Order: sequence, then structure tokens, then C-alpha cells
Amino acid sequence: GQNIDQPTEMTATEGAIVQINCTYQTSGFNGLFWYQQHAGEAPTFLSYNVLDGLEEKGRFSSFLSRSKGYSYLLLKELQMKDSASYLCAVRDEWGGSDQAGTALIFGKGTTLSVSS
Amino acid sequence: ETGVTQSPTHLIKTRGQQVTLRCSSQSGHNTVSWYQQALGQGPQFIFQYYREEENGRGNFPPRFSGLQFPNYSSELNVNALELDDSALYLCASSHGTERSYEQYFGPGTRLTVT
Repeated sequence: GQNIDQPTEMTATEGAIVQINCTYQTSGFNGLFWYQQHAGEAPTFLSYNVLDGLEEKGRFSSFLSRSKGYSYLLLKELQMKDSASYLCAVRDEWGGSDQAGTALIFGKGTTLSVSS
Repeated sequence: ETGVTQSPTHLIKTRGQQVTLRCSSQSGHNTVSWYQQALGQGPQFIFQYYREEENGRGNFPPRFSGLQFPNYSSELNVNALELDDSALYLCASSHGTERSYEQYFGPGTRLTVT
């Protein structure tokens, strides 16, 4: 089966640091993604991890432990515009090299509210 | 570079009707995936098209069908609409042959079934 868990809601204040956790149990694993989604808008790509460790990109960092089935997204120096839903997704992959198929298996998302 | 576009933005249909949603992929992308996102949930994979053929399917019934055209644009068709089909339908494009890991999402079509 496929199961991806993340907290439903989190709150934080401007300038703070917040960590959003994600645990997964999936039949396959070909990378883990974090997407940001503002209300009524499309998800936008934040980060991708396929190897264990930390990936840093500006105010956002993402960590992966494949042995533990665990990832987190770290947001630093929070701004009001960071209020959004954050989606954790595992990439599933099938087929041969000439016609590989891929799909993202998403968690339910974590709604982050940043207050002043 | 043109991003992923979808039409219409919003749509209201009655139970039992049929609907067609459209997606234009990002320039240079030959793979299109469709997702359904119910309110308060994460997107769920419906199916993927690569070079005009269905290349994978999630746990959705056959009344969800699709097409991909030579210009790589795509349609999602849903027959015999049910109330639970009310959701945001997202289209995502990627470059399948490069096994690119990133899928670029369109703004979505909000479907309401009454």
C-alpha cells in the first residue's frame, strides 16, 4: 500500500523557523518532493531529495532518510507569504527506459499559517 | 517559455452529465499527467499520457478517460458525473524521455457537480 503522513495544520510567527515532517510507506521509492500550494492555485515545486541528507535552497531546506521513511521541510525566516499548504509527495516509476512512466503520490498536505 | 495552461477555470455540471477538461503542456514537454484534488486533500494521480498513449493509471474507474494530441495537449473526460467528482483537476507536464523528475502543474479546473 501507499501511505504518506504529514501534520494537518501548523502555525508560526514571522521570522521564525518551522519544520514540517513527512513519513512515508510506499511500495516503491524514486525520490521525494515538496510542493507549495497557495489556496486556489497550482502546486509549485520546492525541493527534491533522492539520496539521504539535506538539500538547501535559500530559506528552504529538505531532508531525507530513506531507511526511516522520513523527510522534513525546513522553512527559515518565515514571511506572511509562506502561509500555504505544503505537500509531501513520493515519486513512483514504472516501465522501461524508452517509455518510463512516473506519478507523484501525495500526502494530504500541511496547512501553514504565518502570523505577524 | 509557455507554462501549463488549463481550461476552463471553473465548471458547474449536474450529476449524470459528461465533462471535458483541457490542458496545454509546457513547451517541449511530451508527457501529461492528470490529478484530482478534493477539498482538503492532496492530489491523486488519475493517469498519464506519453506520445499520445496512456502510460499509467491510478485507482480511477473507466468513466475517467483521456486523450493526448500530436501537439502534446491533452483532454480529461469524465462520464456519468457523480457528486464526489467535485474537485480541482490538475494537469502536470514533464519531459518523459529524459526521466525528468519535475512535473510542472497548471492552475487547475475547479469542477462542481450538483
